[in-house]
Amino acid sequence: DAKTTQPTSMDCAEGRAANLPCNHSTISGNEYVYWYRQIHSQGPQYIIHGLKNNETNEMASLIITEDRKSSTLILPHATLRDTAVYYCIVRAPLTQGGSEKLVFGKGTKLTVNP
Amino acid sequence: EAQVTQNPRYLITVTGKKLTVTCSQNMNHEYMSWYRQDPGLGLRQIYYSMNVEVTDKGDVPEGYKVSRKEKRNFPLILESPSPNQTSLYFCATSRERAGEQYFGPGTRLTVT
Repeated sequence: DAKTTQPTSMDCAEGRAANLPCNHSTISGNEYVYWYRQIHSQGPQYIIHGLKNNETNEMASLIITEDRKSSTLILPHATLRDTAVYYCIVRAPLTQGGSEKLVFGKGTKLTVNP
Repeated sequence: EAQVTQNPRYLITVTGKKLTVTCSQNMNHEYMSWYRQDPGLGLRQIYYSMNVEVTDKGDVPEGYKVSRKEKRNFPLILESPSPNQTSLYFCATSRERAGEQYFGPGTRLTVT
């Protein structure tokens, strides 16, 4: 699975959009981009994933560039409860050589300020 | 409500005293796994199970055992715990092996 690069930390004001970038310049054509977050010592929480197209769910939006070498997770109206470490993970389907386990990097520590 | 439960949530024990951390899910997921999380090392997979009676080693299986006798349960067994197994443990489940995973609340284990 391809490696990802994320900023170590970011700050965001409460109520504003939080835009978390992720670089995955070595991503392969069959690899998906997954986002998880971990609120202090709780179990990681799945947020969203996508392959090529932008995706949106009740938690967030995922914007993937046309060349797929980077993506941005958007929390449209950040709240204090969104303070967490956010992990960007690139992963291929098992049937195409992907790993069955999640490989968590260091992630981005997002702090939402009042 | 879909959930993954772990018990106990906190445990302090002594070296060599066998213990079991339970994991149970109500989502009928086939795939389950155990991770440990340590400062500076991130989350590392210990064991995983693709279905009942099918288990395999992850990256750090030494000192751990697992069993999968029922679909909903995947206990983690430490036959002879040692201080280097002091860690935060998470159970995770997934409908399929490469799908999105759902994590339990964690078990903080301290071995003295």
